[in-house]
Amino acid sequence: DVKVTQSSRYLVKRTGEKVFLECVQDMDHENMFWYRQDPGLGLRLIYFSYDVKMKEKGDIPEGYSVSREKKERFSLILESASTNQTSMYLCASSQHLPNNEQFFGPGTRLTVL
Amino acid sequence: AQSVTQLDSQVPVFEEAPVELRCNYSSSVSVYLFWYVQYPNQGLQLLLKYLSGSTLVESINGFEAEFNKSQTSFHLRKPSVHISDTAEYFCAVSAFGNEKLTFGTGTRLTIIP
Repeated sequence: DVKVTQSSRYLVKRTGEKVFLECVQDMDHENMFWYRQDPGLGLRLIYFSYDVKMKEKGDIPEGYSVSREKKERFSLILESASTNQTSMYLCASSQHLPNNEQFFGPGTRLTVL
Repeated sequence: AQSVTQLDSQVPVFEEAPVELRCNYSSSVSVYLFWYVQYPNQGLQLLLKYLSGSTLVESINGFEAEFNKSQTSFHLRKPSVHISDTAEYFCAVSAFGNEKLTFGTGTRLTIIP
């Protein structure tokens, strides 16, 4: 069974902390994505990676960075967490073909106090 | 750039009644269209997709969607809903050859017993 896992389901951090969200996929997919999901706004793409060490900004990259050192792992980094980054974060992966299905992890609900 | 509009944020429906969830898109190029479903406390999973061929596509659990190019729509329908269909439904679009998706804001389907 194909799987995308995320390191935490729930996370609580304080303003100014550095936060790491980890995502691992076991499908040997080339593409990996980080989204944030907010009520009334749907899913918005933060960053996209199409290969190891390759990344592309999404629609809302400000305040975030990413790291992809291995094909199966894609990390989202909040250098200095702020309250407006409280959200649900979803990771996804897909094969390196156009318009292929994206497989999603269960999400990490991050609260920044 | 592409955009997706889901006008209905919430749709309450009686059990065994029919339902239609509306999705309209905007794009200057040809697109592929998707419906994803998010059950409570889970990540998103693909429900159905239109890539080419027949404009009517079906899912394994009784949903169907019809691609209407002239009306730029991809509405999702089911003739008889069940309690288990309670979820949030997201319409998404990608341009030909583009591996990124643009999501709508989602429609929360609530089934009334």
